[in-house]
Amino acid sequence: DGGITQSPKYLFRKEGQNVTLSCEQNLNHDAMYWYRQDPGQGLRLIYYSQIVNDFQKGDIAEGYSVSREKKESFPLTVTSAQKNPTAFYLCASSKLGQGMNTEAFFGQGTRLTVV
Amino acid sequence: AQKITQTQPGMFVQEKEAVTLDCTYDTSDQSYGLFWYKQPSSGEMIFLIYQGSYDEQNATEGRYSLNFQKARKSANLVISASQLGDSAMYFCAMRDHFQGAQKLVFGQGTRLTINP
Repeated sequence: DGGITQSPKYLFRKEGQNVTLSCEQNLNHDAMYWYRQDPGQGLRLIYYSQIVNDFQKGDIAEGYSVSREKKESFPLTVTSAQKNPTAFYLCASSKLGQGMNTEAFFGQGTRLTVV
Repeated sequence: AQKITQTQPGMFVQEKEAVTLDCTYDTSDQSYGLFWYKQPSSGEMIFLIYQGSYDEQNATEGRYSLNFQKARKSANLVISASQLGDSAMYFCAMRDHFQGAQKLVFGQGTRLTINP
């Protein structure tokens, strides 16, 4: 079945450590995204990519980094510079919109906790 | 800048009743799209329904319909004949740009609880 796979589902990180969240899709989508969700809040865009080897900052990119070496993969690194990394992270993918009706598909999320 | 406002933090509805979840938006763009997503307790976001700014008719998908009032900048989700499985968080979102990436702006969400 086509879809988006995020791993791990739960992740614990010590303060000062970098950690990488995995996101893989087999939907043949060109665009991929990372969103952050805090308790009781909506999603906020961290980074997005429209093509391999290219990506753009979203609204809250500080303290995060990404890479897009393959069309299927868009890993997110939460660096030690991110002051409050405890959150739920969602990866998504979509076609590049040729019209407006192209919805984004989401993975099951990774819950990151800093201990 | 685009903004989505969902003013109902929580809604409680009896099973089989209809429910309306409110969403208002703000944008200076003429072309935009509005989406509703459902987030069950497991965490994934499930696409429900889409409305384009130039669509003349309200969108419908099974039990879901979108009450689109462009002049009021509102895009309320209507769920008919609610079921216990409808209990979840519901998010309204919008995007601009006809082409390119689907950068979505989300509201704060409404937690819907269906009572038996």
